[in-house]
Amino acid sequence: QKEVEQDPGPLSVPEGAIVSLNCTYSNSAFQYFMWYRQYSRKGPELLMYTYSSGNKEDGRFTAQVDKSSKYISLFIRDSQPSDSATYLCAMSTNSGYALNFGKGTSLLVTP
Amino acid sequence: DAGVIQSPRHEVTEMGQEVTLRCKPISGHNSLFWYRQTMMRGLELLIYFNNNVPIDDSGMPEDRFSAKMPNASFSTLKIQPSEPRDSAVYFCASSLALGRGRETQYFGPGTRLLVL
Repeated sequence: QKEVEQDPGPLSVPEGAIVSLNCTYSNSAFQYFMWYRQYSRKGPELLMYTYSSGNKEDGRFTAQVDKSSKYISLFIRDSQPSDSATYLCAMSTNSGYALNFGKGTSLLVTP
Repeated sequence: DAGVIQSPRHEVTEMGQEVTLRCKPISGHNSLFWYRQTMMRGLELLIYFNNNVPIDDSGMPEDRFSAKMPNASFSTLKIQPSEPRDSAVYFCASSLALGRGRETQYFGPGTRLLVL
């Protein structure tokens, strides 16, 4: 079993919908939680990161971390066709350099 | 800033041939990562360099894989001999490592490798 689990989708939503993307993990030592966005045939790019538990908001994006449940979420409000991409969660420990990635969830926002 | 540069962008080769992938990290970054991405396994870390020194190569699948970083601005990943199961997208990423586990990794565009 991988340390980070993520539903691969695909997830298809109409433009304007609220999108919820999730990951679960098993390693309680993870402290840094990140979401990367990967457009087709491109490299992943960092979208948001959160330290420990709590929420972080950036425009239409909100990241949530629930360490007690080992569960993280990314919410996208007012989704746009340009949000269509694969979203990967990633995590690391306090001192580690390695990022542990989920397999990614493919999102399609239809006009 | 040009970002992380990888070459070639696409590579098609025959089984048994040697393949060399190249990466130029972002100037000033002191950490470099090689990843492999497949549908089945997702994004996997192959090797991590810090200040040009390999720190962790536990992700390198076999002795057929080798990586070097002769200087701060260049790294190679070599597969010899290549096999069809090596077909994947190979990414290089770099970061400014401060040892706190939260440094942003910047990914290159990847090299799509197909081994026939």
